Amino acid sequence: SQELEQSPQSLIVQEGKNLTINCTSSKTLYGLYWYKQKYGEGLIFLMMLQKGGEEKSHEKITAKLDEKKQQSSLHITASQPSHAGIYLCGAAFSGTYKYIFGTGTRLKVLA
Amino acid sequence: DAGVTQSPTHLIKTRGQQVTLRCSPISGHKSVSWYQQVLGQGPQFIFQYYEKEERGRGNFPDRFSARQFPNYSSELNVNALLLGDSALYLCASSFQGRDIQYFGAGTRLSVL
Repeated sequence: SQELEQSPQSLIVQEGKNLTINCTSSKTLYGLYWYKQKYGEGLIFLMMLQKGGEEKSHEKITAKLDEKKQQSSLHITASQPSHAGIYLCGAAFSGTYKYIFGTGTRLKVLA
Repeated sequence: DAGVTQSPTHLIKTRGQQVTLRCSPISGHKSVSWYQQVLGQGPQFIFQYYEKEERGRGNFPDRFSARQFPNYSSELNVNALLLGDSALYLCASSFQGRDIQYFGAGTRLSVL
């Protein structure tokens, strides 16, 4: 079973609109990481969250981790075509060195 | 500083052949992880190596093997290739394994 569930699977928004991507785990996370991927390319690190209730922002992207460390959200404010791509959440879990990724959210921003 | 480098970028093989993929980590990183990503899915964890020792293994058959060298570079080997092995193979390096993974651009393997 998939240990990290991402939603939605795909998203099409008009430029300037806000959007949110969610990532849910059935287990407590050691750390939660957000990445962005352009089609067929490597992943680019965006943000890391490790403490319950933590929130981080970079430019127009904000990521949050809930208090139980099982849910995270990625929020983009005033989206731009440059935000288009695949957003992936990744996580490490306590007691294992297996690194798990969600299925990804494909974002398209219409100009 | 150079990022994670992978070679080759593209590879075409036929069923039953063997393939070796290579990865050089970021300088100072001691951990290398390998992932398989098929179209439309997130990367699937294959292996993690730290200080030349295997520290984690995903749900892949024994046809998949890897090793890490004293300079921390790594190779992923896949034997007896199947059509289903066609994918983007990603290498990532990090300081200690469970921290931020920095990814290479990947090797796209096509099995015909």
